[in-house]
Amino acid sequence: QSALTQPASVSGSPGQSITISCTGPSGDVGNYNSVSWYQQHPGKAPKLIIYGVSNRPSGVSNRFSGSKSANTASLTISGLQAEDEADYYCCLHMRTITYVFGTGTTVTVL
Amino acid sequence: QVQLVQSGAEVKKPGASVKLSCKAAGYTFTSYHIHWVRQAPGHGLEYMGIINPSGGATVYAQKFHGRVTVTRDTSTSTVYMELSSLTSEDTGVYFCTRELGTTLYFDYWGQGTLVTVSS
Repeated sequence: QSALTQPASVSGSPGQSITISCTGPSGDVGNYNSVSWYQQHPGKAPKLIIYGVSNRPSGVSNRFSGSKSANTASLTISGLQAEDEADYYCCLHMRTITYVFGTGTTVTVL
Repeated sequence: QVQLVQSGAEVKKPGASVKLSCKAAGYTFTSYHIHWVRQAPGHGLEYMGIINPSGGATVYAQKFHGRVTVTRDTSTSTVYMELSSLTSEDTGVYFCTRELGTTLYFDYWGQGTLVTVSS
């Protein structure tokens, strides 16, 4: 399957809010209720920050929130902090039982 | 605590195979699926496949069909991923990660194994 489309980069100043979109092709067979989001710092393994569209695992800041509409999911980071500078990936469970990741978004804190 | 500990870095020649391991600890091994995800240098995450450690059933992403084999050893709580017919495009970091089976997300990840394919 083709990767989900994310903006290559998003930037914001400390304290601002930013939103990252994750879009699948129209008519795809992904289960958008399964959307999860992962944060990856350079040289590190990905870390789960959102699951089931809008749920946060224990220990993840409430500055991270997720939503979806039709075939587009979104991740919002509010009150942007320097530590949020990382790569972010969405992930979707497909009807073929496998998964597909987004193309990834680099977040830069100005 | 939950840990997925992966084997060390590998250097392989084109055409060879590589077999990586992922040892689980801190939870019931057969209760969680193990998935493999890879990342080429400077690129994004790419899904490879899944094994259900309980019965050993596997599903692979279409791109890797015929080249990847994932197995498990329940006696050591270890999952193995073998990738054959390596090319330079297989160079990257390979991660194992776990998923409950009904939750559809990956909650713990291994530290990753770097595979370099070079003549």
